Amino acid sequence: AQKVTQAQTEISVVEKEDVTLDCVYETRDTTYYLFWYKQPPSGELVFLIRRNSFDEQNEISGRYSWNFQKSTSSFNFTITASQVVDSAVYFCALSEGNTGFQKLVFGTGTRLLVSP
Amino acid sequence: GAGVSQTPSNKVTEKGKYVELRCDPISGHTALYWYRQSLGQGPEFLIYFQGTGAADDSGLPNDRFFAVRPEGSVSTLKIQRTERGDSAVYLCASSLMSQGYGYTFGSGTRLTVV
Repeated sequence: AQKVTQAQTEISVVEKEDVTLDCVYETRDTTYYLFWYKQPPSGELVFLIRRNSFDEQNEISGRYSWNFQKSTSSFNFTITASQVVDSAVYFCALSEGNTGFQKLVFGTGTRLLVSP
Repeated sequence: GAGVSQTPSNKVTEKGKYVELRCDPISGHTALYWYRQSLGQGPEFLIYFQGTGAADDSGLPNDRFFAVRPEGSVSTLKIQRTERGDSAVYLCASSLMSQGYGYTFGSGTRLTVV
């Protein structure tokens, strides 16, 4: 069965610090997608990135970067030089090929607090 | 519309009452999803529509929950005989049929059963 674990419940940093949010997943499928979503206080889930299981290249987008390692079943998310606006709950999620990639399984989220 | 719209944004109801939650997806999106997010948890899948039909309703917790999408656009999630444990944020999302991975969420309806 698929499962996503985000062991860090809450992280507090000071602005300009780098921070890494951990995500470990479990799946029996060989074809799957991994995602990160941001949920600010407004409540809407904002899509950040999608990665398929065949592409282990790390990705960088501005201050955001993602490290996908199949050997450890991890898909970690790093924010460089954090800003107060990065404060939110971040969710890692998984979808599998055997469900047509239609169903997302989410972790419990990591609350990031960035103070000035 | 420009985004996924959910109404009402907040709903307070008494235990045992019937409620309807509405989702208006992005225009042209044929796939529509309902998720439920309890306090401190990640969203949990409830049901997925492709067009008018429910393609996967495996996440509906019991037969008090039902969802429809009669014209392949707006969807309504219906909860009968509400219980306090139904209190949560109900999220709707939509996507283009061909995507099937990563979709746009609405802001949710916060349901409180008292």
